[in-house]
Amino acid sequence: EAGVTQSPTHLIKTRGQQATLRCSPISGHTSVYWYQQALGLGLQFLLWYDEGEERNRGNFPPRFSGRQFPNYSSELNVNALELEDSALYLCASSSRDRGAEQYFGPGTRLTVT
Amino acid sequence: GNSVTQMEGPVTLSEEAFLTINCTYTATGYPSLFWYVQYPGEGLQLLLKATKADDKGSNKGFEATYRKETTSFHLEKGSVQVSDSAVYFCALSSYSASKIIFGSGTRLSIRP
Repeated sequence: EAGVTQSPTHLIKTRGQQATLRCSPISGHTSVYWYQQALGLGLQFLLWYDEGEERNRGNFPPRFSGRQFPNYSSELNVNALELEDSALYLCASSSRDRGAEQYFGPGTRLTVT
Repeated sequence: GNSVTQMEGPVTLSEEAFLTINCTYTATGYPSLFWYVQYPGEGLQLLLKATKADDKGSNKGFEATYRKETTSFHLEKGSVQVSDSAVYFCALSSYSASKIIFGSGTRLSIRP
């Protein structure tokens, strides 16, 4: 069974640009979660999508947005990039069962210069 | 609200030493509890889980027991290896909540 996949592996952008990150969940999973992991810090919850809808978001500005497609894959967009957006962005998927564990992808390393 | 507190790192041990990483939680109801591991340069992997009180999760020599009376889920391993060097995250998922709550992570380094 294929795991969660993310692309690209690495992304380098300059301040003010936009970044688009992609995630494909495990087959059969309908929920996709996005997390930001800045250097030396823990996981910060960004967004949760389920069945194509945004269900919850963390304490991040509106320039962090995303969507979930009918095939349950997801896209995270970060507009007007700032230097502090440099981080590892992790995607996770889970089944719709409440309390189910999340399975993580390898992450996208975003560097903003 | 729900929260997870785990011991701060870094933790440095010699190979074959006994490991304990403490984790306590605050939650309403009966959450599921998890330990995730993140090896250098990788995403998180589920290490073990427990879904009800007194359950013991185990995997790769690691164990953790769901203790409702002390609201704890401490991670233990009897003899660590260099390959266990990683960051370990304790987490909970409440039936009434919509996302997993993670602790801040504990970095573990094992000396040969």
